[in-house]
This record gives sequence, structure tokens and C-alpha cells, in this order.
Amino acid sequence: ETAVFQTPNYHVTQVGNEVSFNCKQTLGHDTMYWYKQDSKKLLKIMFSYNNKQLIVNETVPRRFSPQSSDKAHLNLRIKSVEPEDSAVYLCASRQGNGNTLYFGEGSRLIVV
Amino acid sequence: GEQVEQRPPHLSVREGDSAFITCTYTDPNSYYFFWYKQEPGASLQLLMKVFSSTEINEGQGFTVLLNKKDKRLSLNLTAAHPGDSAAYFCAVSAASSGSWQLIFGSGTQLTVMP
Repeated sequence: ETAVFQTPNYHVTQVGNEVSFNCKQTLGHDTMYWYKQDSKKLLKIMFSYNNKQLIVNETVPRRFSPQSSDKAHLNLRIKSVEPEDSAVYLCASRQGNGNTLYFGEGSRLIVV
Repeated sequence: GEQVEQRPPHLSVREGDSAFITCTYTDPNSYYFFWYKQEPGASLQLLMKVFSSTEINEGQGFTVLLNKKDKRLSLNLTAAHPGDSAAYFCAVSAASSGSWQLIFGSGTQLTVMP
């Protein structure tokens, strides 16, 4: 049963546009993440939020920014998309360290 | 920090055969280990979570082996069937990763032929 919800699931846009992906989890978890999965299916962590504090911020381009209103929501904003941003963006959540990550269905971005 | 290497990147087996996937990791203090399955067009689903204290873990139709001495985590799908065709990812968590972040392997695309 899905408990991490992402919207939209699919988005096509042109280079230079702004895109936002939304994520909500109903598991009561305290930490949420965004991962990027490229065309080779490689998974790279982008951001994580714990109690509204950014605790991991990998060296992603500055056009990417996470936005959180509360611990159940973590959105991803991309300002001025580039072709290399085409990928699947996966939202995930977990409770505490070492526990299982629960993933959303993913948001596929295609930049033309 | 932790690094995880997964092999093979692609694997084809016939229905009924075994499929073996291995990950090696670098941090000897790694404590939590995971295998995820990703079916085409879908998200990652947990297959099994393994603690560092357990070397052999039995699942439904598969076995996960943890060799701490060699820092190796393996997934063995016994008697694979076409429904097992998917991408499989290992993940390792250690304090050195920063807040016990999960470090993922590069994935194995498994194809099970009828």
C-alpha cells in the first residue's frame, strides 16, 4: 500500500522552465529524502530533511532546492531546468537512523 | 565515506535457475543492509532488511547472505520465475555515511526467461 505520494508522476518541459515536484508521506516518519534516478537507474541522494532541518545536502546544482512546510511534506523545485535534469525523481521517507526507506512512485521529468 | 559496488549489472537466467547478485562495501562498521526490487515503471520495494548480526536470512524464494569478514552482501533468488524480472538494488547504511544515510549499489537488471 502506497504511503509516500508524489505528484506529478510525469512532466515534460522545455529547457529554462521551472518545475516543482510534490511529495507527501502519511507514515508519520521524521525524515524525508529526494533521490535522482538517471537513465542507467543509478540512484543518487539529493536532499534529506529531518524535522524541517536540512541534514544532508549533496553537491547538486543550485537550481535545485527542497521546500518543506512540515515533516510530512518535502517538495523539490528546479529553477531553469537543463537537459541533464531529465530523470526520475524519487521521494522517500523513514523513521530514525538505520530504518527502512519507503519510496514513492517517482516523478519522471523530460526536458526537451 | 561508504562505497558500494554491485555486480553484475545485467543478468539473464532461465526459469527455474538461480540468480546470484553481490555487493561489496567498504565501511567495516556498516550495520544495516537492504535489498530493494524495482519492477519496470515502478518504485523501489523492500525485499529484505538485514542486521549486521545475521549472516543468513531466508525470504520467500530468496536468501540473503552477509559476509562481514569480506564485506559482501549477496542475494540469491532460488528457482527464479519471470515475475522476478526487475532491477535489484542493494543498500548499506553506516554512521560514516552521514546520519546513517543509505548508500545504494548501481543495480542489477535481472531477466528471467520462460
